[in-house]
Parts: sequence; structure tokens; C-alpha cells
Amino acid sequence: QQQVKQSPQSLIVQKGGISIINCAYENTAFDYFPWYQQFPGKGPALLIAIRPDVSEKKEGRFTISFNKSAKQFSLHIMDSQPGDSATYFCAASRRAGGYQKVTFGTGTKLQVIP
Amino acid sequence: DTEVTQTPKHLVMGMTNKKSLKCEQHMGHRAMYWYKQKAKKPPELMFVYSYEKLSINESVPSRFSPECPNSSLLNLHLHALQPEDSALYLCASSQDSQVILFFGSGTQLSVL
Repeated sequence: QQQVKQSPQSLIVQKGGISIINCAYENTAFDYFPWYQQFPGKGPALLIAIRPDVSEKKEGRFTISFNKSAKQFSLHIMDSQPGDSATYFCAASRRAGGYQKVTFGTGTKLQVIP
Repeated sequence: DTEVTQTPKHLVMGMTNKKSLKCEQHMGHRAMYWYKQKAKKPPELMFVYSYEKLSINESVPSRFSPECPNSSLLNLHLHALQPEDSALYLCASSQDSQVILFFGSGTQLSVL
């Protein structure tokens, strides 16, 4: 019940195209759904996040779509750039006594080719 | 300062060595975390300290020993590790009022 399923495992997109990564969760106790971006040799960094009472959130070229009834959410990267090439992890989290209990998806390695 | 600083960046150790990983943050965060990340896998939670008290130990072998000397520092003491413990070790912190984890760049550990 703690799983977050993520697909695809890898994605190749041409520069200027749209990258789409999908995630699904099971536990309705999660109250925050962040996306983390990780470059090689670096730790993950928060990219964008959404709460379950919102259906869409857009920040620049990055958009999260959230479907609470289906327990699914997705990341759309518009006008994908080579600099977006990284591994993306969706996550689902909930507060637990002063800290965050975070469940990560399995990750998607995105390659944007010129 | 919005950084989580980890040292060293790289570490090679033998199975009989004792070493320590260090993590520091000055954002006033009261929760600090150790994660282990294998190549092409998501981060895997090891320990959580909340207000300098150990809140979660995810059944981590005793050859890993965490320590939180104060609210800004987190250590991970390593002893008698196995080659399969080779991984990227990530430190993270968060504030109770926020839902964001701030990660350091990690320590790439190789056990020979």
C-alpha cells in the first residue's frame, strides 16, 4: 500500500518536444506529491509539487496533472531542452511527527536529444 | 543558506575500516535523514532524526550507526561494511512546516 508506480523507466525526447511521466499511488493518506529531479553525481532536488486538492499546477515549462479519483499524477515537460536530461522521481509524502515520510517512484531517465 | 553539505564527496574503504560521513545544514530544519541510493534506483530511507531524536530506523544493519550531535549536524558511522554497501549516501533535511526534502550532493562510497 506504500508503493508509488512510475512509468516509463526511460524516455527519449527530441528538443522542443513534450516529455510525459506518469505515476500512480495506492495509499490515500499521502498529502503531498512532489517531483524530484536528479542529475548524475548530485542529490535529488525538488522540481515541482502538488497537493491532492488541486488538479493541475504549472511552473514555467513544468506541469503536474493530478487525478485524485484515479490516484494518478503526471509530469509534463513542455519544450523539452537538453538541459532537462536527468532522472525524475515522483514521490508521495505525508507528515509523521515532525518529519516527512516519503515514498519514491522507481524513476524515469529522460534524455532530450538535440 | 539553502544548502545541505555532505563530506566527503567520495570515500573508498576496506571491509575492516571505520569511517564517518558528515552532513550539515544551517536552514534551521529539525528533521534530518540518511538515504542510500544504488545506481538507477530511487533513494531508500535508512534513518530519520526529528528534533535530534532517532525517529526511524528502517531495519538498517548495525554496521551503520547514525548520530545527531546537534540540530545542524548529522553523522553516519561506518564499520565492517560489505561490498554490497557500496552506494551513494544522501543526507536530507526538512522543516516541520514544509513538505520539501532538501538533499545534499551525497557521498559516493565504495567498499572494497
